[in-house]
Amino acid sequence: AQKITQTQPGMFVQEKEAVTLDCTYDTSDPSYGLFWYKQPSSGEMIFLIYQGSYDQQNATEGRYSLNFQKARKSANLVISASQLGDSAMYFCAMREAAALNAGGTSYGKLTFGQGTILTVHP
Amino acid sequence: KAGVTQTPRYLIKTRGQQVTLSCSPISGHRSVSWYQQTPGQGLQFLFEYFSETQRNKGNFPGRFSGRQFSNSRSEMNVSTLELGDSALYLCASSPGTSGNRETQYFGPGTRLLVL
Repeated sequence: AQKITQTQPGMFVQEKEAVTLDCTYDTSDPSYGLFWYKQPSSGEMIFLIYQGSYDQQNATEGRYSLNFQKARKSANLVISASQLGDSAMYFCAMREAAALNAGGTSYGKLTFGQGTILTVHP
Repeated sequence: KAGVTQTPRYLIKTRGQQVTLSCSPISGHRSVSWYQQTPGQGLQFLFEYFSETQRNKGNFPGRFSGRQFSNSRSEMNVSTLELGDSALYLCASSPGTSGNRETQYFGPGTRLLVL
């Protein structure tokens, strides 16, 4: 089973509008971290935002916010006031902690979704 | 602080050859993780090194190996290259001590083409 699912292969948004990129995850670990990265055509992965499973509030970083619904196991990224430079591939990723605590098999390992290509139109 | 650097940025090899990629992490970071990105398989975890020791390994054949030096710089090696090894190889740096909350910072990647 997929641990991270991004169901939108591509999304389009008009400049200055908001857009939501979907991410659902699957884990039985009560402690985990969720991350969103942006990958422009140059290839470098740029960290955007982090949400911990025990965090009470949804994470926000500038124009990025995370709509975290723990019971639904979803962690959607919301980009407000889209800019042309936001056009890129966006990845949702997860790190589970239980195996980490028990012996380290999660060290370093982020599990990524397949990504969503976002295109911002002028 | 300087970001994560990877060399070379582009590489063309032929089947059967071997290749070594290098990654220098952010100063002070002791963990280096490697990922392979292909259109078909997406981003897959290769391995993670911390303080010169491999702490974790993904599901890749033994042709893929790595090491880390005392200055935290890391290299990964792929021997007996196959066409399917053509990919973007990304290196990620982190402190290595904060568990599941820890953010990884990625380098620009090395694009490997195997002919």
